Amino acid sequence: DADVTQTPRNRITKTGKRIMLECSQTKGHDRMYWYRQDPGLGLRLIYYSFDVKDINKGEISDGYSVSRQAQAKFSLSLESAIPNQTALYFCATAEGTSADEQFFGPGTRLTVL
Amino acid sequence: RKEVEQDPGPFNVPEGATVAFNCTYSNSASQSFFWYRQDCRKEPKLLMSVYSSGNEDGRFTAQLNRASQYISLLIRDSKLSDSATYLCVVNREGIFGAGTRLFVKA
Repeated sequence: DADVTQTPRNRITKTGKRIMLECSQTKGHDRMYWYRQDPGLGLRLIYYSFDVKDINKGEISDGYSVSRQAQAKFSLSLESAIPNQTALYFCATAEGTSADEQFFGPGTRLTVL
Repeated sequence: RKEVEQDPGPFNVPEGATVAFNCTYSNSASQSFFWYRQDCRKEPKLLMSVYSSGNEDGRFTAQLNRASQYISLLIRDSKLSDSATYLCVVNREGIFGAGTRLFVKA
C-alpha cells in the first residue's frame, strides 16, 4: 500500500461547489503540505502543517482552507470552487527536521467547470 | 522577484552529454536545499539533497553557492531515462522552483 494517499484521484465539479480533497499518510510524519501544480508554474505551496496544532498559509492560500484532523490526515477544502482552481493538487509529508525529504501522494486532478 | 527561480528550458541534449541546471533563491537565510525529479503527470520524487560542501551520487552532482545564492545540478553521461522535469526546493516550508525540463535524445 502507498505511504501517502490522496482521494479522489480525479474530480470534475462546477463553479460554486464546495470540494474537499483528502490526504492520508502511514509514514508517521509530523509535517504535511498541500501544493497545486499548473503548467509552467511548478508546484506552489497552498498550506502546510508542522504538527496537528500548527497550520500555516503558503504562497497561494486565498480560496482554500485546510484541516489537520490527526497526524495522519490533512484535508484541503475549496469553499466555493472557481475555474482558475483547475489544477493538479499534491499532498506531501516530511519528518520533523528541515533536512528531510518530502514524500508526495499521487496527486488529485481537479477540474472546475 | 520569485523566491526560487529556475530556467524552464527545455534543454534538449544528446545521449552522453553533460548538462547543468541552476536554481537561484532570494532568502539568504535559507538552510536546506533539494533537487527533485518529476516525470510527466507523476508526483515529484527526491533526486538528491544539496549539502554545503557539494555532493555526488553517481552521474549526478549537486552544488551550493551561498555567496551567489544558487544551487546547481550537473548530470554527466545523460541517458534517455533522464528525460524529466527537475525541480529545486528550498527550506522546510517546501518552496519549489517552477522546474527545468530536460529531453535527452538518442
